[in-house]
Amino acid sequence: AQSVTQLDSHVSVSEGTPVLLRCNYSSSYSPSLFWYVQHPNKGLQLLLKYTSAATLVKGINGFEAEFKKSETSFHLTKPSAHMSDAAEYFCVVSDRYSSASKIIFGSGTRLSIRP
Amino acid sequence: DGGITQSPKYLFRKEGQNVTLSCEQNLNHDAMYWYRQDPGQGLRLIYYSQIVNDFQKGDIAEGYSVSREKKESFPLTVTSAQKNPTAFYLCASSPTSGRGYGELFFGEGSRLTVL
Repeated sequence: AQSVTQLDSHVSVSEGTPVLLRCNYSSSYSPSLFWYVQHPNKGLQLLLKYTSAATLVKGINGFEAEFKKSETSFHLTKPSAHMSDAAEYFCVVSDRYSSASKIIFGSGTRLSIRP
Repeated sequence: DGGITQSPKYLFRKEGQNVTLSCEQNLNHDAMYWYRQDPGQGLRLIYYSQIVNDFQKGDIAEGYSVSREKKESFPLTVTSAQKNPTAFYLCASSPTSGRGYGELFFGEGSRLTVL
């Protein structure tokens, strides 16, 4: 069975400092992993995805994530936070060999940026 | 532009009334989904469909109904049987094969408030 755990429900950083949002997953097969961002009262937008190619994945808005199979982690990072990064972030795992319904969402991490 | 359109964005309902939320996509995706999001929580799957004229219950299908008569359309009806319908509803679509497998494309959401 698949599962995903976002280790922090809320992260607060100062503008210009690094961002780290942590995600651990469990999957019986070869997982696809995704990070989505949601601004208030909006839909979710894909930040980046891992689908078995390079383990270091670069996404939009300067975000990147590294797939570490030995640690079953897919943490999201950004070198320097911007005020516009304040949003909710979701880590998602899907199993490429199961039906399209097997898409599991983490509970989300709210990122706050201090001026 | 290709994408997913949800309507209405805001909807108010009196207790005992059924309401239907619209979801249309022009991405040529086979799979479509409905999720419910409550404040401070992640996404919960209501219904999904992988092909026209077929759909399956998700984790919280009670009090909801759907249809999939066309590939482009996947409307959700919130019935009077749903005990606590006030929430933010998100529609999504995804390809079921190829490079984009497992990646979800979201609409902007519909906020339903029961008065």
